[in-house]
Amino acid sequence: DAKTTQPTSMDCAEGRAANLPCNHSTISGNEYVYWYRQIHSQGPQYIIHGLKNNETNEMASLIITEDRKSSTLILPHATLRDTAVYYCIVRVPMKTSYDKVIFGPGTSLSVIP
Amino acid sequence: DGGITQSPKYLFRKEGQNVTLSCEQNLNHDAMYWYRQDPGQGLRLIYYSQIVNDFQKGDIAEGYSVSREKKESFPLTVTSAQKNPTAFYLCASSISSRGSNQPQHFGDGTRLSIL
Repeated sequence: DAKTTQPTSMDCAEGRAANLPCNHSTISGNEYVYWYRQIHSQGPQYIIHGLKNNETNEMASLIITEDRKSSTLILPHATLRDTAVYYCIVRVPMKTSYDKVIFGPGTSLSVIP
Repeated sequence: DGGITQSPKYLFRKEGQNVTLSCEQNLNHDAMYWYRQDPGQGLRLIYYSQIVNDFQKGDIAEGYSVSREKKESFPLTVTSAQKNPTAFYLCASSISSRGSNQPQHFGDGTRLSIL
Protein backbone atom coordinates (compact mmCIF):
# COMPACT_ATOMS: atom_id res chain seq x y z
CA ASP A 1 0.00 0.00 0.00
CA ALA A 2 1.15 3.51 -0.66
CA LYS A 3 1.43 5.16 2.73
CA THR A 4 1.86 8.78 3.71
CA THR A 5 3.88 10.49 6.41
CA GLN A 6 3.06 13.89 7.83
CA PRO A 7 4.38 16.00 10.71
CA THR A 8 2.45 15.41 13.90
CA SER A 9 1.67 19.07 14.49
CA MET A 10 2.20 22.56 13.11
CA ASP A 11 1.43 26.13 14.09
CA CYS A 12 0.50 28.98 11.77
CA ALA A 13 -0.18 32.65 12.46
CA GLU A 14 -3.64 33.87 11.54
CA GLY A 15 -3.68 35.51 8.11
CA ARG A 16 -0.50 33.81 6.98
CA ALA A 17 -0.24 30.92 4.55
CA ALA A 18 -0.25 27.45 6.08
CA ASN A 19 1.94 24.96 4.22
CA LEU A 20 1.31 21.35 5.20
CA PRO A 21 3.78 18.78 3.80
CA CYS A 22 3.17 15.14 3.03
CA ASN A 23 5.52 12.39 1.89
CA HIS A 24 4.21 9.51 -0.23
CA SER A 25 7.39 8.03 -1.62
CA THR A 26 5.82 4.67 -2.60
CA ILE A 27 2.93 6.14 -4.57
CA SER A 28 2.12 4.46 -7.88
CA GLY A 29 1.48 6.22 -11.16
CA ASN A 30 -2.32 5.99 -11.08
CA GLU A 31 -2.88 6.81 -7.41
CA TYR A 32 -4.38 10.17 -6.51
CA VAL A 33 -3.35 12.23 -3.49
CA TYR A 34 -6.25 13.50 -1.40
CA TRP A 35 -6.43 15.96 1.46
CA TYR A 36 -9.13 16.02 4.11
CA ARG A 37 -9.44 17.85 7.40
CA GLN A 38 -11.29 16.96 10.56
CA ILE A 39 -12.46 19.33 13.22
CA HIS A 40 -13.05 17.74 16.60
CA SER A 41 -16.21 15.63 16.78
CA GLN A 42 -17.05 16.16 13.12
CA GLY A 43 -16.60 14.03 10.04
CA PRO A 44 -13.63 14.52 7.70
CA GLN A 45 -14.16 17.32 5.19
CA TYR A 46 -12.86 16.84 1.66
CA ILE A 47 -10.46 19.63 0.62
CA ILE A 48 -8.74 18.81 -2.65
CA HIS A 49 -7.11 16.02 -4.66
CA GLY A 50 -4.68 15.67 -7.54
CA LEU A 51 -2.64 13.24 -9.62
CA LYS A 52 0.30 15.03 -11.22
CA ASN A 53 -0.55 18.67 -11.79
CA ASN A 54 -0.97 21.36 -9.19
CA GLU A 55 -4.58 21.97 -8.25
CA THR A 56 -6.43 24.92 -6.76
CA ASN A 57 -9.97 25.38 -5.52
CA GLU A 58 -11.79 27.80 -3.26
CA MET A 59 -10.35 26.20 -0.13
CA ALA A 60 -6.72 25.45 -0.90
CA SER A 61 -3.94 24.71 -3.36
CA LEU A 62 -2.19 21.39 -3.80
CA ILE A 63 1.40 21.30 -5.03
CA ILE A 64 2.68 17.86 -6.11
CA THR A 65 6.38 17.39 -6.85
CA GLU A 66 7.38 16.23 -10.29
CA ASP A 67 8.44 12.80 -9.01
CA ARG A 68 5.10 12.62 -7.09
CA LYS A 69 6.86 11.50 -3.93
CA SER A 70 5.63 14.42 -1.90
CA SER A 71 3.01 17.14 -1.88
CA THR A 72 2.11 20.31 -0.01
CA LEU A 73 -1.32 21.61 0.89
CA ILE A 74 -1.45 25.39 1.03
CA LEU A 75 -4.12 27.33 2.88
CA PRO A 76 -3.40 30.83 1.53
CA HIS A 77 -4.76 32.92 4.41
CA ALA A 78 -5.26 30.78 7.50
CA THR A 79 -8.07 31.66 9.88
CA LEU A 80 -8.87 30.35 13.35
CA ARG A 81 -11.53 28.14 11.77
CA ASP A 82 -8.80 26.29 9.89
CA THR A 83 -7.56 24.76 13.14
CA ALA A 84 -8.06 21.02 12.56
CA VAL A 85 -6.32 17.71 11.87
CA TYR A 86 -5.30 17.51 8.22
CA TYR A 87 -5.02 14.14 6.53
CA CYS A 88 -3.02 13.40 3.41
CA ILE A 89 -4.15 10.10 1.90
CA VAL A 90 -3.63 8.05 -1.22
CA ARG A 91 -6.41 6.06 -2.87
CA VAL A 92 -5.03 2.57 -3.43
CA PRO A 93 -6.74 0.35 -6.04
CA MET A 94 -7.34 -3.08 -4.50
CA LYS A 95 -7.98 -6.47 -6.06
CA THR A 96 -11.43 -6.31 -4.52
CA SER A 97 -14.05 -3.94 -5.79
CA TYR A 98 -13.04 -0.75 -4.07
CA ASP A 99 -10.15 1.66 -3.82
CA LYS A 100 -8.78 1.56 -0.30
CA VAL A 101 -8.57 4.81 1.61
CA ILE A 102 -5.88 4.80 4.30
CA PHE A 103 -6.16 7.53 6.89
CA GLY A 104 -3.05 7.97 9.04
CA PRO A 105 -2.72 10.12 12.17
CA GLY A 106 -2.57 13.38 10.16
CA THR A 107 -1.14 16.80 11.07
CA SER A 108 -2.75 18.81 13.84
CA LEU A 109 -2.72 22.42 12.62
CA SER A 110 -3.16 25.18 15.17
CA VAL A 111 -3.85 28.67 13.81
CA ILE A 112 -2.69 31.21 16.35
CA PRO A 113 -4.22 34.72 16.68
CA ASP B 1 -28.57 20.96 0.46
CA GLY B 2 -26.96 17.72 -0.68
CA GLY B 3 -25.09 15.74 1.88
CA ILE B 4 -24.84 12.83 4.27
CA THR B 5 -26.90 12.69 7.44
CA GLN B 6 -25.97 10.45 10.33
CA SER B 7 -28.17 9.92 13.34
CA PRO B 8 -28.15 9.98 16.24
CA LYS B 9 -25.11 12.11 17.04
CA TYR B 10 -24.65 10.35 20.38
CA LEU B 11 -25.76 6.81 21.25
CA PHE B 12 -25.48 4.72 24.36
CA ARG B 13 -25.61 0.94 24.43
CA LYS B 14 -26.13 -1.46 27.26
CA GLU B 15 -24.12 -4.65 27.44
CA GLY B 16 -25.59 -7.38 25.22
CA GLN B 17 -27.72 -4.96 23.22
CA ASN B 18 -27.74 -4.42 19.48
CA VAL B 19 -27.93 -0.84 18.21
CA THR B 20 -28.43 0.57 14.73
CA LEU B 21 -26.78 3.70 13.38
CA SER B 22 -28.51 5.54 10.56
CA CYS B 23 -26.85 6.96 7.44
CA GLU B 24 -28.78 8.70 4.67
CA GLN B 25 -27.38 10.48 1.60
CA ASN B 26 -29.09 12.59 -1.06
CA LEU B 27 -26.06 12.89 -3.33
CA ASN B 28 -27.27 10.11 -5.64
CA HIS B 29 -24.03 8.22 -4.94
CA ASP B 30 -23.83 4.50 -5.67
CA ALA B 31 -21.14 3.67 -3.12
CA MET B 32 -21.43 3.98 0.65
CA TYR B 33 -19.04 3.15 3.48
CA TRP B 34 -18.84 2.75 7.24
CA TYR B 35 -15.68 3.60 9.16
CA ARG B 36 -14.70 3.40 12.78
CA GLN B 37 -12.40 5.97 14.38
CA ASP B 38 -10.77 5.45 17.78
CA PRO B 39 -9.09 8.30 19.72
CA GLY B 40 -5.88 9.51 18.09
CA GLN B 41 -6.15 6.99 15.29
CA GLY B 42 -7.04 6.97 11.62
CA LEU B 43 -10.20 5.55 10.11
CA ARG B 44 -10.74 1.82 9.68
CA LEU B 45 -13.22 0.42 7.16
CA ILE B 46 -16.04 -1.73 8.54
CA TYR B 47 -18.25 -2.35 5.49
CA TYR B 48 -18.80 -0.86 2.08
CA SER B 49 -21.50 -1.10 -0.55
CA GLN B 50 -21.01 -0.55 -4.27
CA ILE B 51 -24.68 -0.64 -5.17
CA VAL B 52 -28.12 -1.40 -3.79
CA ASN B 53 -28.49 -4.92 -2.37
CA ASP B 54 -24.73 -5.45 -2.35
CA PHE B 55 -22.18 -4.97 0.42
CA GLN B 56 -18.73 -6.26 1.27
CA LYS B 57 -16.72 -6.63 4.46
CA GLY B 58 -13.96 -4.19 5.16
CA ASP B 59 -10.99 -4.61 7.48
CA ILE B 60 -12.90 -4.88 10.78
CA ALA B 61 -16.36 -6.30 9.99
CA GLU B 62 -16.61 -8.73 12.92
CA GLY B 63 -19.46 -7.80 15.26
CA TYR B 64 -21.13 -5.51 12.73
CA SER B 65 -23.84 -5.94 10.10
CA VAL B 66 -25.26 -3.71 7.36
CA SER B 67 -28.02 -3.61 4.78
CA ARG B 68 -28.47 -1.66 1.57
CA GLU B 69 -32.11 -1.89 0.55
CA LYS B 70 -32.26 1.65 -0.83
CA LYS B 71 -29.66 3.68 -2.68
CA GLU B 72 -29.81 6.53 -0.19
CA SER B 73 -29.64 4.47 3.01
CA PHE B 74 -26.89 2.30 4.55
CA PRO B 75 -27.63 1.51 8.21
CA LEU B 76 -25.01 -0.11 10.44
CA THR B 77 -25.92 -2.46 13.29
CA VAL B 78 -23.44 -2.88 16.10
CA THR B 79 -24.20 -6.31 17.54
CA SER B 80 -23.53 -7.70 21.00
CA ALA B 81 -20.72 -9.71 19.40
CA GLN B 82 -18.68 -6.50 19.02
CA LYS B 83 -16.72 -6.55 22.27
CA ASN B 84 -15.28 -3.05 22.09
CA PRO B 85 -17.93 -0.92 20.38
CA THR B 86 -17.10 2.43 21.98
CA ALA B 87 -15.89 4.60 19.10
CA PHE B 88 -16.76 7.36 16.66
CA TYR B 89 -18.57 5.92 13.61
CA LEU B 90 -18.42 7.67 10.26
CA CYS B 91 -20.49 7.07 7.16
CA ALA B 92 -19.25 8.15 3.73
CA SER B 93 -20.37 7.98 0.12
CA SER B 94 -18.84 8.40 -3.32
CA ILE B 95 -20.05 8.26 -6.90
CA SER B 96 -18.63 4.74 -7.14
CA SER B 97 -16.26 2.58 -5.12
CA ARG B 98 -13.70 2.37 -7.92
CA GLY B 99 -12.02 5.18 -9.77
CA SER B 100 -9.56 6.99 -7.56
CA ASN B 101 -10.54 10.36 -9.05
CA GLN B 102 -13.69 10.41 -6.96
CA PRO B 103 -13.61 11.75 -3.41
CA GLN B 104 -15.52 10.20 -0.54
CA HIS B 105 -17.75 12.61 1.35
CA PHE B 106 -18.40 12.05 5.04
CA GLY B 107 -21.22 12.59 7.48
CA ASP B 108 -20.68 14.17 10.90
CA GLY B 109 -20.52 10.85 12.71
CA THR B 110 -22.19 9.01 15.59
CA ARG B 111 -20.39 8.64 18.89
CA LEU B 112 -21.29 5.30 20.52
CA SER B 113 -20.63 4.64 24.19
CA ILE B 114 -21.24 1.67 26.46
CA LEU B 115 -23.25 2.16 29.63
